[in-house]
Amino acid sequence: GQQVMQIPQYQHVQEGEDFTTYCNSSTTLSNIQWYKQRPGGHPVFLIQLVKSGEVKKQKRLTFQFGEAKKNSSLHITATQTTDVGTYFCAAYFGNEKLTFGTGTRLTIIP
Amino acid sequence: DAGVIQSPRHEVTEMGQEVTLRCKPISGHDYLFWYRQTMMRGLELLIYFNNNVPIDDSGMPEDRFSAKMPNASFSTLKIQPSEPRDSAVYFCASSPYIVGTANFGYTFGSGTRLTVV
Repeated sequence: GQQVMQIPQYQHVQEGEDFTTYCNSSTTLSNIQWYKQRPGGHPVFLIQLVKSGEVKKQKRLTFQFGEAKKNSSLHITATQTTDVGTYFCAAYFGNEKLTFGTGTRLTIIP
Repeated sequence: DAGVIQSPRHEVTEMGQEVTLRCKPISGHDYLFWYRQTMMRGLELLIYFNNNVPIDDSGMPEDRFSAKMPNASFSTLKIQPSEPRDSAVYFCASSPYIVGTANFGYTFGSGTRLTVV
């Protein structure tokens, strides 16, 4: 079935380093959403991207939607311990069902 | 707003027993979703409702699983009989509407961690 692939699966970074996770689809997406799930918690909606080439920022987080609307990225500048968790992208494939990517688990080394 | 409320938070049951998970969506949200999360399979959509009507249950793994939404403020996911492979975290989520121009995502409940022994 249709799916979104995320890489990397895991990322360990020193506190203060940058972090990036990538989301890819073989088909064009109408939009893409990003979620964060803290350890032991539930997914929390971060943002939605709709337009080709769109870039949005939330403090140290930068979200990009590719020109072809087939890929997206989340970049965190100068990671902090509060950034620990799993980051998911999610997309609609022309229907009402939101399909989640496999997620990237971020751990921070203090 | 109290958000999406799920109960119980944890459930331990013996194989063969019936399990009922409950969800109260955010008032005014038209869509309700049931997801299952495991390490092996990630987040899987089981079923979703629009205005209390089941729209797509293709993700329900077997006939042992059933879901209902008798009114706009309550939904249940039932597993009968339960099996050890059903052990997972089950999330309920709600949304005001799906694809559109508004920047709305899903609001997830805290989940029910189910362990079947």
